[in-house]
Amino acid sequence: ETGVTQSPTHLIKTRGQQVTLRCSSQSGHNTVSWYQQALGQGPQFIFQYYREEENGRGNFPPRFSGLQFPNYSSELNVNALELDDSALYLCASSLFPGELFFGEGSRLTVL
Amino acid sequence: GENVEQHPSTLSVQEGDSAVIKCTYSDSASNYFPWYKQELGKRPQLIIDIRSNVGEKKDQRIAVTLNKTAKHFSLHITETQPEDSAVYFCAARLSNFGNEKLTFGTGTRLTIIP
Repeated sequence: ETGVTQSPTHLIKTRGQQVTLRCSSQSGHNTVSWYQQALGQGPQFIFQYYREEENGRGNFPPRFSGLQFPNYSSELNVNALELDDSALYLCASSLFPGELFFGEGSRLTVL
Repeated sequence: GENVEQHPSTLSVQEGDSAVIKCTYSDSASNYFPWYKQELGKRPQLIIDIRSNVGEKKDQRIAVTLNKTAKHFSLHITETQPEDSAVYFCAARLSNFGNEKLTFGTGTRLTIIP
């Protein structure tokens, strides 16, 4: 059984650019959630996908968007990057109503 | 929406002593309360969780208590060891089918002093 994997692990972008982060769910899981964790803070919910549809969203602007694919993998896209978008982006998968399993995260630095 | 407050933000205890971290939540409908341990540069890992139909749960040196009336829950670590040093996050969730949004606290940095 493979765990949640994310790529890339680290990346650096400049303001105004766009970024795509990828996540492979744990085998058998049908729900994927994305969280943003700023330095020294708790993770903040961005959105969740269940069976390829967004079914929950936190207080993030529309420039944060995502996809879930038939194999339950997922992408997080962020357009028009801002300095405050610098954070660790965590993907978590689950099989409702079980626990969330987190990936190691993608650390994004925006310069 | 849900709001979770966590205290203290930092905690230092002597090895072998107990550590207690407390959280309060605002949404009385929340029914699932996990605790995560996050080591530096690592993913959050679930260490224990409790559902709203249970008042206490224990797993070896770790226990969680839940008071639904007061809307607070606590993590208790006994016989602390150096490897317990990490940041701990509490979280709350209202588990609707397919909706598993977790609201996290701000974290407690626990340091075990040898």
